[in-house]
Amino acid sequence: AQSVTQPDIHITVSEGASLELRCNYSYGATPYLFWYVQSPGQGLQLLLKYFSGDTLVQGIKGFEAEFKRSQSSFNLRKPSVHWSDAAEYFCAVVKSGGSYIPTFGRGTSLIVHP
Amino acid sequence: KAGVTQTPRYLIKTRGQQVTLSCSPISGHRSVSWYQQTPGQGLQFLFEYFSETQRNKGNFPGRFSGRQFSNSRSEMNVSTLELGDSALYLCASSLGESRSPLHFGNGTRLTVT
Repeated sequence: AQSVTQPDIHITVSEGASLELRCNYSYGATPYLFWYVQSPGQGLQLLLKYFSGDTLVQGIKGFEAEFKRSQSSFNLRKPSVHWSDAAEYFCAVVKSGGSYIPTFGRGTSLIVHP
Repeated sequence: KAGVTQTPRYLIKTRGQQVTLSCSPISGHRSVSWYQQTPGQGLQFLFEYFSETQRNKGNFPGRFSGRQFSNSRSEMNVSTLELGDSALYLCASSLGESRSPLHFGNGTRLTVT
């Protein structure tokens, strides 16, 4: 069964600092990869997705993610964090040609210090 | 385009009761999925409906059921509520393909006392 690991439960950064959130998956082929963000009291919102091609993908709110096949990783990055980025971030994986249902990581909670 | 709408936003029930949650998807979306979110277990998949048929199902007991109507609106029912059913229940709609991202509602916060 495929699995998604987000090794960091919490990450704390200062406003203006750079950010990298880690995501690793276990699956033989390249799946479809997604990052979602959940603000307090809200549902999840899609930040970006990767299917194929260029391994660096751009998303909304200044986020980007890089797919590395050799490391089975899809890490999310942002060069300069804003206080409004404080939220829960979820990595999700869908088996290509599979059941359409994403497997979600446990999430990483981002805390931003002023 | 209107987003995914879930009603009610908050619900308080007692053990043994049953509850029905409602979800209106984005217009044109034929797939509706339901998730349970708790601090301890994270996001857990309940089931997915596509064109009024349950297409995928997670590992939840039969007390959890759902249905989808011809207009793609969906309901989720939980019978004989237990304290452990307290959670945020999220509904998500999509076009129903592997590459289709999910569009989530803001959830229904269920508290069982």
